[in-house]
Amino acid sequence: QQPVQSPQAVILREGEDAVINCSSSKALYSVHWYRQKHGEAPVFLMILLKGGEQKGHEKISASFNEKKQQSSLYLTASQLSYSGTYFCGTEPKRGGTSYGKLTFGQGTILTVHP
Amino acid sequence: AAGVIQSPRHLIKEKRETATLKCYPIPRHDTVYWYQQGPGQDPQFLISFYEKMQSDKGSIPDRFSAQQFSDYHSELNMSSLELGDSALYFCASSLRIAGLYNEQFFGPGTRLTVL
Repeated sequence: QQPVQSPQAVILREGEDAVINCSSSKALYSVHWYRQKHGEAPVFLMILLKGGEQKGHEKISASFNEKKQQSSLYLTASQLSYSGTYFCGTEPKRGGTSYGKLTFGQGTILTVHP
Repeated sequence: AAGVIQSPRHLIKEKRETATLKCYPIPRHDTVYWYQQGPGQDPQFLISFYEKMQSDKGSIPDRFSAQQFSDYHSELNMSSLELGDSALYFCASSLRIAGLYNEQFFGPGTRLTVL
């Protein structure tokens, strides 16, 4: 089942913050976040493997609430280069074994203006 | 750092023709994934291989087949092409450590156009 992302689109001015949410109806093994620019490959941002785990990369961080099967991506002090479509990819739990198969959300289009 | 290599980058085929897409994973990566992405859509998982064995299967049509070779490169074979097969096809690779599949790194993709 496809995870649900919200919002579908965000428009920001440089320096503003944004939060993108990803929600699944299934128990999750991991959540992956990617950014994709038009016509290019998805670029890996981070992976969250444990409930409550938060990871950060410069001004981009994420959290994973295993109980709620939800993950959030936090973008702070946005830059023009942050523009693109953000996808969460979820891997459901299957007997405690990871198979690596990701199901992606429908994407959130982020536009950052000067 | 070396990235995932895909070839060809662009491919134009007629209906009912066949196509072969190739993927060369990041060195030492043991797992390869194939995804299909239509315009304005999210990537859809097709199939994956771990250590040359099929590890999982998604919404891959029976007209498609894939394999991973001894040098870990993978090929996606598509036969009886249909207009609806036109899409971006991504290959991704990862390294499995202690039973966990880690982050997947995507190749630049092959844009397939079926006329």
